Amino acid sequence: TQLLEQSPQFLSIQEGENLTVYCNSSSVFSSLQWYRQEPGEGPVLLVTVVTGGEVKKLKRLTFQFGDARKDSSLHITAAQTGDTGLYLCAGGGLNKFYFGSGTKLNVKP
Amino acid sequence: DSGVTQTPKHLITATGQRVTLRCSPRSGDLSVYWYQQSLDQGLQFLIQYYNGEERAKGNILERFSAQQFPDLHSELNLSSLELGDSALYFCASSARQGLEETQYFGPGTRLLVL
Repeated sequence: TQLLEQSPQFLSIQEGENLTVYCNSSSVFSSLQWYRQEPGEGPVLLVTVVTGGEVKKLKRLTFQFGDARKDSSLHITAAQTGDTGLYLCAGGGLNKFYFGSGTKLNVKP
Repeated sequence: DSGVTQTPKHLITATGQRVTLRCSPRSGDLSVYWYQQSLDQGLQFLIQYYNGEERAKGNILERFSAQQFPDLHSELNLSSLELGDSALYFCASSARQGLEETQYFGPGTRLLVL
């Protein structure tokens, strides 16, 4: 059983569409990170959220941390083919890091 | 470029063999994490070292071991290799800033056991 559940597992959309992916847990995390990973490469950090209810924007990406610090969402506006990749969320606690299994996003031209 | 280096990039070996993967963290980072990622899977946390000492253990097999040296580089040793050990192995180093612990990943070592 994954400590962090991500949904959907797979998402295939057309360029220009909007999408939201979710990261849920029954545990509270002191921080939560979102990473993007391309095939054969290491994950690259997109954002870290720390405060419950926090919203962070990174160009067309909007990240939200749940009020109870147990869940998070990533919304992409007007997806581009360059957004294709595996999106991973990771929750941090004291000396522990837990990764979700990821959402594989494919943006078609 | 995350500043974390891993060698080798690719490794092909046979079942029953032993290999060593190497990781150099970002300058100034004291923590090193090792992860295994099988095909189309998420990252499985293996083990963490902080300033030379083991700090946390995840789903690491007894056939696997790791260490962190005084210069802070780390090695992951995989022995009695099985076909199922074929995977991408990532290390990450972390910089703690208050409550935010950010991990920076290396490019990974792709291990193929034949």
